[in-house]
Amino acid sequence: DVKVTQSSRYLVKRTGEKVFLECVQDMDHENMFWYRQDPGLGLRLIYFSYDVKMKEKGDIPEGYSVSREKKERFSLILESASTNQTSMYLCASSPLTPTFNQPQHFGDGTRLSIL
Amino acid sequence: AQTVTQSQPEMSVQEAETVTLSCTYDTSESDYYLFWYKQPPSRQMILVIRQEAYKQQNATENRFSVNFQKAAKSFSLKISDSQLGDAAMYFCAYRNRDDKIIFGKGTRLHILP
Repeated sequence: DVKVTQSSRYLVKRTGEKVFLECVQDMDHENMFWYRQDPGLGLRLIYFSYDVKMKEKGDIPEGYSVSREKKERFSLILESASTNQTSMYLCASSPLTPTFNQPQHFGDGTRLSIL
Repeated sequence: AQTVTQSQPEMSVQEAETVTLSCTYDTSESDYYLFWYKQPPSRQMILVIRQEAYKQQNATENRFSVNFQKAAKSFSLKISDSQLGDAAMYFCAYRNRDDKIIFGKGTRLHILP
């Protein structure tokens, strides 16, 4: 089974801090994604990556950056955390296939609170 | 731009009954996939069922089945013989060749004992 591991289940940080959320997958997937999940808004894509050192902006990239130095690891960075970034963050991965029929595999999520 | 709409924020069903969750989408593409994901409380999101747009036959996975109406751009999920473990947030999702998935806002399903 595919395993997507997010480094923290719960995280509390202060306004202005630089925050790192880490995600590791063990199935050699090319694609990795970061979403935030808020009640009533569903999942919104922050950034995604097709390959090492490649990144693409999603729908809500403002205030975030990402890093993908190794294929299995995709990090989300909050450069200067703000209270409106309090949310559940989900990491996902999927293989790159010509038929694009493969689902995304999700981590358990990180519930981040910014005080 | 593609969109996915789930018009029911919350639903409830009696245990052992059947429930249908609605999903509509908008796209100009002809080749795509549709998914239903389940997110139990405080647990990982998992795939429930997927449907290929070029297949007319509706996908089925045990108690879960879909009603895919391509012309109407509708993709509903039917859960038969509902069980307490089916209580979760359900997300409808659309994917095409650019590898991004677009999610609906979700439907929270409650199972009444």
